[in-house]
Amino acid sequence: EVQLVETGGGLMQPGGSLRLSCATSGFVVSDSYMNWVRQAPGKGLEWVSLIYTGNSAYYADSIKGRFSISRDISKNTLYLQMTNLRAEDTAIYYCARGTKDSSGWCLDSWGQGTLVTVSS
Amino acid sequence: AIQMTQSPSSLSASVGDRVTITCRASQDIKNELGWYQQKPGKVPTVLIYAASILQSGVPPRFSGSGSGTDFTLTITSLQPEDLATYYCLQDNSYPLTFGGGTKVEIK
Repeated sequence: EVQLVETGGGLMQPGGSLRLSCATSGFVVSDSYMNWVRQAPGKGLEWVSLIYTGNSAYYADSIKGRFSISRDISKNTLYLQMTNLRAEDTAIYYCARGTKDSSGWCLDSWGQGTLVTVSS
Repeated sequence: AIQMTQSPSSLSASVGDRVTITCRASQDIKNELGWYQQKPGKVPTVLIYAASILQSGVPPRFSGSGSGTDFTLTITSLQPEDLATYYCLQDNSYPLTFGGGTKVEIK
């Protein structure tokens, strides 16, 4: 069974740093397109970042230069290092697996999310 | 970045109604689009990918169509459990981008 469990959220002051973790099981992180997606309170979904084979990484314009995605293959865990946090980064952060087949690609498994609140 | 414009932002329909949600991309994204459902208080789940491929386990009343810049999600017979917000997501190019969402309410 595929499982993704995010941890590391909390209340942070503006300008602070935080690292989110996404522990996975039932599949191999290194073989998958791993994503972070966030949702501000009462708002829509916003794609944040993706990492896939070969450590290629991509970022949303809103967080580029401040956030960094990585993974530990030995722990089958995905990370999101967040720096210079802003109030607008307040959101639930979801870890999601991307799967590709001969037809296309989708986010087929999601964690339950971890809440990050940035406030003074 | 490619912008995804979704409409309407909300709708109210009766059980059994046919519901249509549209998503327009700011440039050609071929068929590289998915539709996601998020029920209140729940995690999003994928309904459709590659514009028209039904994800395994999704009821056949859901269907997707379109290519290029214009896409449609259709629910042929709305059910009470379809109360949710629906999002499109383009995966043609980075950064990936979601539409703003369509909140579907049941009359």
